[in-house]
Amino acid sequence: DQQVKQNSPSLSVQEGRISILNCDYTNSMFDYFLWYKKYPAEGPTFLISISSIKDKNEDGRFTVFLNKSAKHLSLHIVPSQPGDSAVYFCAASAGYGGATNKLIFGTGTLLAVQP
Amino acid sequence: EPEVTQTPSHQVTQMGQEVILRCVPISNHLYFYWYRQILGQKVEFLVSFYNNEISEKSEIFDDQFSVERPDGSNFTLKIRSTKLEDSAMYFCASSASGLNNSPLHFGNGTRLTVT
Repeated sequence: DQQVKQNSPSLSVQEGRISILNCDYTNSMFDYFLWYKKYPAEGPTFLISISSIKDKNEDGRFTVFLNKSAKHLSLHIVPSQPGDSAVYFCAASAGYGGATNKLIFGTGTLLAVQP
Repeated sequence: EPEVTQTPSHQVTQMGQEVILRCVPISNHLYFYWYRQILGQKVEFLVSFYNNEISEKSEIFDDQFSVERPDGSNFTLKIRSTKLEDSAMYFCASSASGLNNSPLHFGNGTRLTVT
């Protein structure tokens, strides 16, 4: 059941450049999307989120873009830093307001930022 | 920053044995969750818990699984009779509310190995 898909298992970027991580979803009921970062031997760490009423949300170096018609979202990291090297998970949930916050995760993209 | 803590970090058990995984959610959070990640696979929702009862559970969360909040701080996941396929990282998470503007905060996980 691949409701949330991250088609790139890995991405390598030079330090200082932009990292773009992509995520596609199939369930049109999803209305809240999140990005998590995960280091080895740690749990996922919340990065940034966006609700379906917006098409962009920015927090420092991180920007998430949502294209509802294409059922696609992306995470931009500018500028990329070696400490950003981690696995990035896209997640989605349905039912804004009173939902149980059940998240459906993608398979993750391993980002390597080269110094 | 407040964090979700999980113990133990690694649990090895024999098939058929009972295990209890423990979690201390963030103190002012009201919603609690268990997720798991089998090696090489995506993070999967198991169960959500609010107001001392299960809000939602997945197909994975069968009769062998149970959750409990025995006191004001701990949140536990019990597997009654472990199977080999229960081997995974188990992540506890909590959120301030069940609304979609309240992201989940995850612990660092318990690696369960069933032999």
